[in-house]
Amino acid sequence: EAGVTQFPSHSVIEKGQTVTLRCDPISGHDNLYWYRRVMGKEIKFLLHFVKESKQDESGMPNNRFLAERTGGTYSTLKVQPAELEDSGVYFCASSPVGKNIQYFGAGTRLSVL
Amino acid sequence: QKEVEQNSGPLSVPEGAIASLNCTYSDRGSQSFFWYRQYSGKSPELIMFIYSNGDKEDGRFTAQLNKASQYVSLLIRDSQPSDSATYLCAVNGVSGGYNKLIFGAGTRLAVHP
Repeated sequence: EAGVTQFPSHSVIEKGQTVTLRCDPISGHDNLYWYRRVMGKEIKFLLHFVKESKQDESGMPNNRFLAERTGGTYSTLKVQPAELEDSGVYFCASSPVGKNIQYFGAGTRLSVL
Repeated sequence: QKEVEQNSGPLSVPEGAIASLNCTYSDRGSQSFFWYRQYSGKSPELIMFIYSNGDKEDGRFTAQLNKASQYVSLLIRDSQPSDSATYLCAVNGVSGGYNKLIFGAGTRLAVHP
């Protein structure tokens, strides 16, 4: 069974540009989470989808970040326009309904120059 | 005060020894506790979870939980060089929802031959 996959693994963009990160959860997992780790800090929660609905987006830093999960399968996280402080590793995780054990992808390393 | 605190390390132990990793948390209402292992550039990999006070053993790993003292620990017996990684402690958040994980910054473990 495939794990959580994220694309791209690394993205380098200039300040002001737009970047879209993608996450494919484990098949059948209704819960999908986005987290972020900025340099030297702990991994922090961004938001949680249950199927296509946003259950909790309390960790989204500002309105430059837009997450979607159309059809309840894969999710995208768009940053527009990107700022220097957005640099970090963006992780996606998924879990099946009724279970709070989260399985993580390898992350997308975003570098904003 | 951070919500989840870990000693950043590195914790250096000789091969074959017991490695002891500790974590404290601030939210007394937290109910689920997780240990993830992360190799550099890879996804956080769940190795243990514990919900009840006491010990939980799985192979060479033992998780210990003391809710009264608000700490959770991970013991690795017969440490191997392949155990060298960053170990992340995570707690299910009570405030704002039971689904999001709150992470510590991680402890780097180095097992030397």
